[in-house]
Amino acid sequence: EAGVVQSPRYKIIEKKQPVAFWCNPISGHNTLYWYLQNLGQGPELLIRYENEEAVDDSQLPKDRFSAERLKGVDSTLKIQPAELGDSAVYLCASSYTGGSLNEQFFGPGTRLTVL
Amino acid sequence: QKEVEQNSGPLSVPEGAIASLNCTYSDRGSQSFFWYRQYSGKSPELIMFIYSNGDKEDGRFTAQLNKASQYVSLLIRDSQPSDSATYLCAVRGISGGYNKLIFGAGTRLAVHP
Repeated sequence: EAGVVQSPRYKIIEKKQPVAFWCNPISGHNTLYWYLQNLGQGPELLIRYENEEAVDDSQLPKDRFSAERLKGVDSTLKIQPAELGDSAVYLCASSYTGGSLNEQFFGPGTRLTVL
Repeated sequence: QKEVEQNSGPLSVPEGAIASLNCTYSDRGSQSFFWYRQYSGKSPELIMFIYSNGDKEDGRFTAQLNKASQYVSLLIRDSQPSDSATYLCAVRGISGGYNKLIFGAGTRLAVHP
């Protein structure tokens, strides 16, 4: 079984430029999460989708961040314009909501560097 | 006060010793508790979960939960150099919905030969 796929793995951009990250969850997983992880910190939830609906986006900085999961499968997270403080690892995770554990499986992440 | 607190470490233990990792949480309504292991440059992977007070053992790992003290710990017996990683404590509470996990900052474990 394939895991969570993310691309690109690394991205270097200059501040004020736009950037987009893509995530394909594990097949059959209806819940998709985008997390931000700064160095030395744990993952922080940005947005959570149940199928195609964003059910928790309270931590998403909506002035510059946007996300979509149009068909309830893969998802895109966008930053426009990027700021120096956005440099971090962006993790995508997925889970199947229906089991008792609801384990979240993480993708390899995208390491963003904003210069 | 952070919702989930962990000592950042590093916790250094010799090979073969018991490593004890601790975590406290602030939401008394929290229901489920998870330990993730994260190797440097890699993504987190789930290694243990616990729902009820007491101990839960899985191989060399034991998770301990004390809801009255709002405390959860992870013991690693017979520590190996391959256990060297950051261990993230995550808590699932009532607020935010069933799927929401709150992560601590992690404790870095170093097992030396």
